[in-house]
Amino acid sequence: DQQVKQNSPSLSVQEGRISILNCDYTNSMFDYFLWYKKYPAEGPTFLISISSIKDKNEDGRFTVFLNKSAKHLSLHIVPSQPGDSAVYFCAASGNAGNMLTFGGGTRLMVKP
Amino acid sequence: DADVTQTPRNRITKTGKRIMLECSQTKGHDRMYWYRQDPGLGLRLIYYSFDVKDINKGEISDGYSVSRQAQAKFSLSLESAIPNQTALYFCATGASASYNEQFFGPGTRLTVL
Repeated sequence: DQQVKQNSPSLSVQEGRISILNCDYTNSMFDYFLWYKKYPAEGPTFLISISSIKDKNEDGRFTVFLNKSAKHLSLHIVPSQPGDSAVYFCAASGNAGNMLTFGGGTRLMVKP
Repeated sequence: DADVTQTPRNRITKTGKRIMLECSQTKGHDRMYWYRQDPGLGLRLIYYSFDVKDINKGEISDGYSVSRQAQAKFSLSLESAIPNQTALYFCATGASASYNEQFFGPGTRLTVL
């Protein structure tokens, strides 16, 4: 069974509005979470991360929220831009050695 | 220049053929990883290596083997390719001093007919 799940395969948002991408996990040993962004014909690139000792981390237009009790995290993009259109992967880690468990991805489409 | 490169970028082969995918990195990282991506399943770990003398199986290693020829090179082999190995393959690197972040190559699209 998948330990990291992104239940929305796709999301469509109007330019300028907020995009909210969600991720749920089941393994309580996970203590570090990352979001990766992937454009077609390219590899995933690191976007933002959060440690389990925090509940929020912000970097420009991107904010990640972590709710440990619900085992849920979300990525907020405000304002959304057409260049944000990509597949977003949530990933989690619970040990040293950079071992990551990925979710299935959410395809975000930002319409002009 | 790209920090993590993969060759070939695309490959079409037939069932039963042996295939090697190569990965090189200039980031100076100790740790290297091979993943495959399938629609809806995200990226799943095939093999990983923490240094030249270290090889470890990941979540889905059956049907694959790897070789860490040098710190900068990590190759993935399919000894006898089968159609359900058709996927997008990514190599990644990680620095032991950098907790968790990994850096990915551009991917190899493999089709097994």
